[in-house]
Amino acid sequence: DGGITQSPKYLFRKEGQNVTLSCEQNLNHDAMYWYRQDPGQGLRLIYYSQIVNDFQKGDIAEGYSVSREKKESFPLTVTSAQKNPTAFYLCASSRVSSGSAHNEQFFGPGTRLTVL
Amino acid sequence: GEDVEQSLFLSVREGDSSVINCTYTDSSSTYLYWYKQEPGAGLQLLTYIFSNMDMKQDQRLTVLLNKKDKHLSLRIADTQTGDSAIYFCAARALTGGGNKLTFGTGTQLKVEL
Repeated sequence: DGGITQSPKYLFRKEGQNVTLSCEQNLNHDAMYWYRQDPGQGLRLIYYSQIVNDFQKGDIAEGYSVSREKKESFPLTVTSAQKNPTAFYLCASSRVSSGSAHNEQFFGPGTRLTVL
Repeated sequence: GEDVEQSLFLSVREGDSSVINCTYTDSSSTYLYWYKQEPGAGLQLLTYIFSNMDMKQDQRLTVLLNKKDKHLSLRIADTQTGDSAIYFCAARALTGGGNKLTFGTGTQLKVEL
């Protein structure tokens, strides 16, 4: 089955610790995305990558870091510099196409991070 | 940049129609999407519309696009309890990277018996 997996589903972290969230896809998509979801604020883009070894900051990149060493994998590290990291984190992937072509983003099941 | 807005809550009775509204700001938006999120899960694409269309129907779902007013709506006919979820509107604009989506805040749909 093709799809996107995120692990773990629930993650607890002590203040001051870095933590890495996993995202893997076997859809052969070039583009991958990380979003943060907070109640009443919708999805906000943290980082995205359109090709291996390249990524760009989204709207709320401060306190986060990513890597894209393989096409299938786009891990997100939440660093101790992120002031309010408790949230639901969603990973997505898509093909890369021009603006005139439909381009669905497929989402993983999410990771709920709680800072204790 | 693009700004997408939705109302936060909608409550309907089972069997009635639901209409969820969305406004966006970037007139260069090429595609507009509706996603559904069930509790504790990721997002699932429901339907989408290209900017040169004004209506798209898919079974119980009807999407209306008013490009002049930058207004998008999703109508769900014969709403069922299984339709209870958060519905996100998203816009894909050519500016700032053609593959990025900007999401609205989401509308929590509650279906009552």
